[in-house]
Amino acid sequence: DTGVSQNPRHKITKRGQNVTFRCDPISEHNRLYWYRQTLGQGPEFLTYFQNEAQLEKSRLLSDRFSAERPKGSFSTLEIQRTEQGDSAMYLCASSLAVGAGNEKLFFGSGTQLSVL
Amino acid sequence: KQEVTQIPAALSVPEGENLVLNCSFTDSAIYNLQWFRQDPGKGLTSLLLIQSSQREQTSGRLNASLDKSSGRSTLYIAASQPGDSATYLCAVRPENQGGKLIFGQGTELSVKP
Repeated sequence: DTGVSQNPRHKITKRGQNVTFRCDPISEHNRLYWYRQTLGQGPEFLTYFQNEAQLEKSRLLSDRFSAERPKGSFSTLEIQRTEQGDSAMYLCASSLAVGAGNEKLFFGSGTQLSVL
Repeated sequence: KQEVTQIPAALSVPEGENLVLNCSFTDSAIYNLQWFRQDPGKGLTSLLLIQSSQREQTSGRLNASLDKSSGRSTLYIAASQPGDSATYLCAVRPENQGGKLIFGQGTELSVKP
């Protein structure tokens, strides 16, 4: 078990292009989260999955953003028609949720997106 | 709406000092509070998790306390070392709001040799 893995580590793209990030959670973890972090700020929640079901989406997640978790394993986050304001670190986290949800989250190293 | 605030935003101390980082939150209806460490350009590493029924947690030179009724938590670092230099983030897990964490903006700590 190597922890939460995110690819790519860095992505530079031109405004208007589409980008896709991948997250591989810790094996057996049933919950997977996506967060976005800008410089000098704490991470902001975007969305989360329990197994393959997407249970919650933040209002930050405009219709240009879509996330999937097919088969309840890895997840992808796609941003269509990127804008300069999308430049941020995109963090993925996973957890094993049992009972009332008092679980600890484990974060990946993130994907740093720069939109030129 | 839950809001989390961390004070100070940045802190610089000489090596060996004991220090306290502060975190406050506006809604006491939380499942737990976590403290994370983040190195520049990296992801988050969980340091301590305090459940709502607990008052404190300790790990090595770190001690975190939680006063849920007053909406406050502190992270105490004993005998600071240059390797402790990083950004420290606290996050609360609100009740009945799914699985998300609400983060503060972090305290950037620099420990000078």
